[in-house]
Amino acid sequence: QVQLQESGPGLVKPSEPLSLTCAVSDYSISSGNYWGWIRQPPGKGLEWIGSIYLSGSTYYNPSLKSRVTMSVDTSKNQFSLKLSFVTAADTAVYYCARVNQRVDTALDHIPTYFDYWGQGTLVTVSS
Amino acid sequence: ERVMTQSPATLSVSPGERATLSCRASQSVSSNLAWYQQKPGQAPRLLIYDASIRATGIPARFSGGGSGTEFTLTISVLQSEDFAVYYCQQYNNWPRTFGQGTKVEIK
Repeated sequence: QVQLQESGPGLVKPSEPLSLTCAVSDYSISSGNYWGWIRQPPGKGLEWIGSIYLSGSTYYNPSLKSRVTMSVDTSKNQFSLKLSFVTAADTAVYYCARVNQRVDTALDHIPTYFDYWGQGTLVTVSS
Repeated sequence: ERVMTQSPATLSVSPGERATLSCRASQSVSSNLAWYQQKPGQAPRLLIYDASIRATGIPARFSGGGSGTEFTLTISVLQSEDFAVYYCQQYNNWPRTFGQGTKVEIK
């Protein structure tokens, strides 16, 4: 059973960067999956932030692309999210997840749905 | 961007009854659709992928159907633990998008 655990500051000041890490256990990141971040503002729905492959290949939501950086650290079996220049609108529960994938006709690995999720961590943007 | 619209926003059902939730895509997403269940204070849980395949460990009372732009999630006999919010998600196009959710509440 794949387990994921988010960690990072629960409070971030406006205009500062938000940095979160997702530790993966009982599964090796090097096995070759995509890994993703999803967020949920309080009382609202889910928003996909981005997905990253073992190789570092990324897909980002265009609405956040200019502010998002994701990375993978295989030595620590974890991956990370950085969101720069945050505002109150970035206040949300942030989830990390393993992303299932399919192979397309060009033999590229395409991220699909989210099969294992972390418990989520609330990040509040406030001065 | 594929906009996913779920209906109804809230569904009031009695335990033991059948619940049918809808998810509509603004343009075709083929069968590249997943359903998730979320209970208060918990992370979403994958129920269905590829529109109709139950994820590992998901009871048979959950079933998914549809393709293209119209999808349904059916819970055949509602159990007390099924009262939750349900989200659909398409993975046919970028960006990946979710519906706004349907809350299944006790009638």
